[in-house]
Amino acid sequence: SAVISQKPSRDICQRGTSLTIQCQVDSQVTMMFWYRQQPGQSLTLIATANQGSEATYESGFVIDKFPISRPNLTFSTLTVSNMSPEDSSIYLCSVPSDRRQQFFGPGTRLTVL
Amino acid sequence: AQTVTQSQPEMSVQEAETVTLSCTYDTSESDYYLFWYKQPPSRQMILVIRQEAYKQQNATENRFSVNFQKAAKSFSLKISDSQLGDAAMYFCAYRSNPNSGYALNFGKGTSLLVTP
Repeated sequence: SAVISQKPSRDICQRGTSLTIQCQVDSQVTMMFWYRQQPGQSLTLIATANQGSEATYESGFVIDKFPISRPNLTFSTLTVSNMSPEDSSIYLCSVPSDRRQQFFGPGTRLTVL
Repeated sequence: AQTVTQSQPEMSVQEAETVTLSCTYDTSESDYYLFWYKQPPSRQMILVIRQEAYKQQNATENRFSVNFQKAAKSFSLKISDSQLGDAAMYFCAYRSNPNSGYALNFGKGTSLLVTP
């Protein structure tokens, strides 16, 4: 299994600012996923981040709003840009395992005022 | 795109009793994976059980078992001898095969309450 940490665990931000969320994995992985979980809702995939290439974004998510970096095989960042209250969510990163399942980080709870 | 439907927003079970959470999905694929994840108030997503579509035998993990009906596209989770620690949101999820890079499609979740 993979151990995944995220920073920060939670934050309260002002409208119009940006927040960068870090995801660290204890092993090298080719692919990482970023999900958003809005209050009381399910998880929605934002993008897939491959090391050495541009992230692939799902419909409804754009790079200008959610830029992603993947500088190496154990680390990724997701930035939530120009935030509005609608961005208040839990953001989770995950990595696939060799058994087709996914391991998730503990999540970052973001509140935008 | 595959869709996952959980028709029970909330369920309640008494401690030591058995409860079944429902999940249906829509797909045109023949080979895929299904999962149940648990999310307690700590927010950590925890894998409960997984099922490969090519396997006819239902998966079992201790007190957790599934009823996988491939033709009906149904994947229910049975929790036996429920414990207070089972209280959480439960998400059913679908994953395509064979590309291991495919992400998960989640249902909306079922909130399980366990009463003493």
